[in-house]
Amino acid sequence: DIQMTQSPSSVSASVGDRVTITCRASQGISTWLAWYQQRPGKAPKLLIYATSNLQSGVPSRFSGSGSGTDFTLTINGLQPEDFATYYCQHANSFPRPFGQGTKVEFK
Amino acid sequence: QGQLEESGGDVVQPGRSLRLSCVASEFLFSSYGMHWVRQAPGKGLEWVATIWYDGANKYYEDSVKGRFTISRDNSKNTLYLQMSSLRAEDTAVYYCARGGHFHFDSSGYRDALDIWGQGTMVTVSS
Repeated sequence: DIQMTQSPSSVSASVGDRVTITCRASQGISTWLAWYQQRPGKAPKLLIYATSNLQSGVPSRFSGSGSGTDFTLTINGLQPEDFATYYCQHANSFPRPFGQGTKVEFK
Repeated sequence: QGQLEESGGDVVQPGRSLRLSCVASEFLFSSYGMHWVRQAPGKGLEWVATIWYDGANKYYEDSVKGRFTISRDNSKNTLYLQMSSLRAEDTAVYYCARGGHFHFDSSGYRDALDIWGQGTMVTVSS
């Protein structure tokens, strides 16, 4: 089975900062990776699918890159509503675990 | 855009059974694979199960295999999760999600969870 490892587990940042979150798959998954945002008490929300495709309605400050085993989510110009927890999930095969999450907190 | 609404969450004793439902609206339910994802209190997201658009294929996370059954009734736009032999570690918010942006080819089925319900809480406790 493929395992997903995110880093860091948390990051402290300020409004306007650039934040980068990484996700590593234990085996190659081509570009079959998605990123989700979850605000406290809310359901997750799809941000990016297939590594770099922005979900409709998601601001362009979010971007994704990578292939194979190493992937990155970047937030350019952090906004107050972006303080949340972010998860990656692969879609290459089954089972489909999520990464353990990265919490973006106020510095 | 589409909506999903879960129901059926409850407090149950260990070893008992429970069935969750997820009603879909505002999209063609029968065209999409569907997923269950859970989140234990204070923990991260855990993929639980997936069913193809036509119910032909089902996949499960190892810890629920043999205890949980995912199914769907396309005539009722409804997804189900039948849970049996429940354990304390099954305590979580259970979300259903649509498999959007799907891609079928000879090497597999891929999608992304593009619509989520609000979740339903399952508590397993004596």
